[in-house]
Amino acid sequence: KAGVTQTPRYLIKTRGQQVTLSCSPISGHRSVSWYQQTPGQGLQFLFEYFSETQRNKGNFPGRFSGRQFSNSRSEMNVSTLELGDSALYLCASGRDRGYQETQYFGPGTRLLVL
Amino acid sequence: KQEVTQIPAALSVPEGENLVLNCSFTDSAIYNLQWFRQDPGKGLTSLLLIQSSQREQTSGRLNASLDKSSGRSTLYIAASQPGDSATYLCAVRPGGSQGNLIFGKGTKLSVKP
Repeated sequence: KAGVTQTPRYLIKTRGQQVTLSCSPISGHRSVSWYQQTPGQGLQFLFEYFSETQRNKGNFPGRFSGRQFSNSRSEMNVSTLELGDSALYLCASGRDRGYQETQYFGPGTRLLVL
Repeated sequence: KQEVTQIPAALSVPEGENLVLNCSFTDSAIYNLQWFRQDPGKGLTSLLLIQSSQREQTSGRLNASLDKSSGRSTLYIAASQPGDSATYLCAVRPGGSQGNLIFGKGTKLSVKP
């Protein structure tokens, strides 16, 4: 069974640009969550999608947005990039919203904002 | 507000040693607690998941315990190997509808040959 895949793996952007990251969950998983990882703040929750609906949202500005498609693939978008957005962006998939099961993480997209 | 703390932040041990990593959380209302491993620049690999009703879980040389009432979990690694070198992250899934994982900052483990 293929794991969680994220594309692209690496990205370099400049301040003010926007970026879209993609996440394909494990087949059969309907929940996708996004996290930002930085050396200073560690792993912080961005948002969670289940069956194309955003269920939870973390404490990030409106420049961060996401969506989920009918095949459970998810994208997140960051507009008007800032230097502080440089981070490893991880997505995780799970089978259900019962919160009883393991979440599986992808390899991440490393974003560098210059 | 749920907070997760991991101590120590870094640990260096000789190969073959048994070791314990600690995780504490401030709110005992959790669905479960999960231990992950992260290699440099990589994603997270799930090691063990302990439900709130369980006291421990074992997988190979790893054993994780959970004491929900005191807000503590430990990850025990037996007979450590250089390949165990990585950052170990503890995460809790809070109870209620906010089901996202809340992570500690991790313990960076180095096992010297």
